[in-house]
Amino acid sequence: DGGITQSPKYLFRKEGQNVTLSCEQNLNHDAMYWYRQDPGQGLRLIYYSQIVNDFQKGDIAEGYSVSREKKESFPLTVTSAQKNPTAFYLCASSIVPGENYGYTFGSGTRLTVV
Amino acid sequence: SQKIEQNSEALNIQEGKTATLTCNYTNYSPAYLQWYRQDPGRGPVFLLLIRENEKEKRKERLKVTFDTTLKQSLFHITASQPADSATYLCALDRGSTLGRLYFGRGTQLTVWP
Repeated sequence: DGGITQSPKYLFRKEGQNVTLSCEQNLNHDAMYWYRQDPGQGLRLIYYSQIVNDFQKGDIAEGYSVSREKKESFPLTVTSAQKNPTAFYLCASSIVPGENYGYTFGSGTRLTVV
Repeated sequence: SQKIEQNSEALNIQEGKTATLTCNYTNYSPAYLQWYRQDPGRGPVFLLLIRENEKEKRKERLKVTFDTTLKQSLFHITASQPADSATYLCALDRGSTLGRLYFGRGTQLTVWP
């Protein structure tokens, strides 16, 4: 079955450490997105990519970095510059950006700073 | 930027009743509006999409309306069941090539037997 796979499901980060969250899709979707979800807040866009080797900052990109070397993969790195990284991270994809199709989301990665 | 308000954080209804959730937005009108369901610890699941030129969209027990004059969408679940208990998110897009969505905080629906 096609879908989006996020790994790991739970991740613990020490202060000052960079960590990378994996996101892989086999839906042949062009666009991919990273969102952050905090309790009581809506999903906030971190980065998005419409095509391979291209990506744009969202509303809260500071302290994060991404790459899009393959259509199927869109990993997110949470750097030590992100001062409050504890959150639930969601990766999503859509067929074509701007078209009238819903997003397909992964099951999320819960990141905790220890 | 777009501001989205969902009517309340929590809605509790009895099984069999119709649940009605509200999504209001400010600023520019979206080209379309989407509704998602999210269960605890899981990613949102796409339910319905309605375009700005559509007044109503149905899918099984779900119905969505879109009033661009009021800048509001209503999401109805008829004959609600305990299995419908979840958080429901409203999301807006401008229909541009950016394809980005703005999400509301969600309404937590609980359907009790």
